[in-house]
Amino acid sequence: NAGVTQTPKFQVLKTGQSMTLQCAQDMNHEYMSWYRQDPGMGLRLIHYSVGAGITDQGEVPNGYNVSRSTTEDFPLRLLSAAPSQTSVYFCASSNPRDPSGLQETQYFGPGTRLLVL
Amino acid sequence: GDSVTQMEGPVTLSEEAFLTINCTYTATGYPSLFWYVQYPGEGLQLLLKATKADDKGSNKGFEATYRKETTSFHLEKGSVQVSDSAVYFCASKPFNAGGTSYGKLTFGQGTILTVHP
Repeated sequence: NAGVTQTPKFQVLKTGQSMTLQCAQDMNHEYMSWYRQDPGMGLRLIHYSVGAGITDQGEVPNGYNVSRSTTEDFPLRLLSAAPSQTSVYFCASSNPRDPSGLQETQYFGPGTRLLVL
Repeated sequence: GDSVTQMEGPVTLSEEAFLTINCTYTATGYPSLFWYVQYPGEGLQLLLKATKADDKGSNKGFEATYRKETTSFHLEKGSVQVSDSAVYFCASKPFNAGGTSYGKLTFGQGTILTVHP
């Protein structure tokens, strides 16, 4: 298994540009989420999904859109980038019905570092 | 809402020193508690977890005990190594009465640990 993969690793945008951060997992996990990591603030939840076709907002959803058309993919869209969205973005997934006792464990991707000028 | 507070960092230790990183939480009911570790340039990995009061999570020489009476989940290691240098995050996830583990992680701000030879 590749686990959770994210692309790109690094991106520079100009204010107002749009882009999509890709996230995919090959573990057949129902639950996927996006976090942003900022210095001194830990990770904050942007959006999450409990299954294909179902998404919901987290703590800091403004400026971001998500969709979940398949179990494997959970892209994060920035419609009009702003300097305040400069951050490192992490995607995570988990299987809440894991029978092996790992249902509490979230698996994180390697992150996408985004710089908005 | 739920919140997690970690001790201020960064923490700098010599190899073989004793490590404690404090973590306290506020939550409704009885959340699950986690420690995640982030090595340089990587995503977060689960280090250990505890799902109910008085549980002790342990992994790689690290330990943390779920203390309901003090709402704490302090991370300890008796003898740190240079390879333990990383950022450590304490996190909580609300308990789902339905028995599934859908939910949202709330992270502390992270503690940078540097271990010198």
